[in-house]
Amino acid sequence: DAKTTQPNSMESNEEEPVHLPCNHSTISGTDYIHWYRQLPSQGPEYVIHGLTSNVNNRMASLAIAEDRKSSTLILHRATLRDAAVYYCIPSSGTYKYIFGTGTRLKVLA
Amino acid sequence: GAVVSQHPSWVICKSGTSVKIECRSLDFQATTMFWYRQFPKQSLMLMATSNEGSKATYEQGVEKDKFLINHASLTLSTLTVTSAHPEDSSFYICSAVSGRNTGELFFGEGSRLTVL
Repeated sequence: DAKTTQPNSMESNEEEPVHLPCNHSTISGTDYIHWYRQLPSQGPEYVIHGLTSNVNNRMASLAIAEDRKSSTLILHRATLRDAAVYYCIPSSGTYKYIFGTGTRLKVLA
Repeated sequence: GAVVSQHPSWVICKSGTSVKIECRSLDFQATTMFWYRQFPKQSLMLMATSNEGSKATYEQGVEKDKFLINHASLTLSTLTVTSAHPEDSSFYICSAVSGRNTGELFFGEGSRLTVL
């Protein structure tokens, strides 16, 4: 399983964009990059995933480096409800996700 | 999106008793479910993979006799913590694969176990 490195915590002002980085330098060629977030006392929630190309959905955008060794989750306008722990998870499609330590995002009003 | 529900959402029990936690996929059939545990301020730790109709596959260091997993139907997996002790107090979370190949894994809301 690819090892991931994420900042322990980040802060953002409300309504500002947030860029959450993830380093996954040992990712294999067939691994997708998944992002999940976990609000307090809840199970994780899917955010976005991608393989090589940048991806957009209603929640966020995912920018994947050309060498695929890193990716960045972009929240275009952070709200207070986006305060959560964000996890990036490389996975080959078995859905057997190994969670790293994640980034705790704090959104300031 | 698909819904995965856990029950109970929280439970308090006495040391030495057994506790069963249910994980249901409400609107899809799940041939594979996963069980995680999470201690306060820590990340999720994968405990086992549960496949319908077969024995669960446990991760290294997880006692299979302590954490009994049963996946008797395509919509239900259960985790039984046997002879629970205070150190088993944790947040237990299940997830289910929908089979729709969307790349999305669906998680339950979690079950908080407190052993007195």
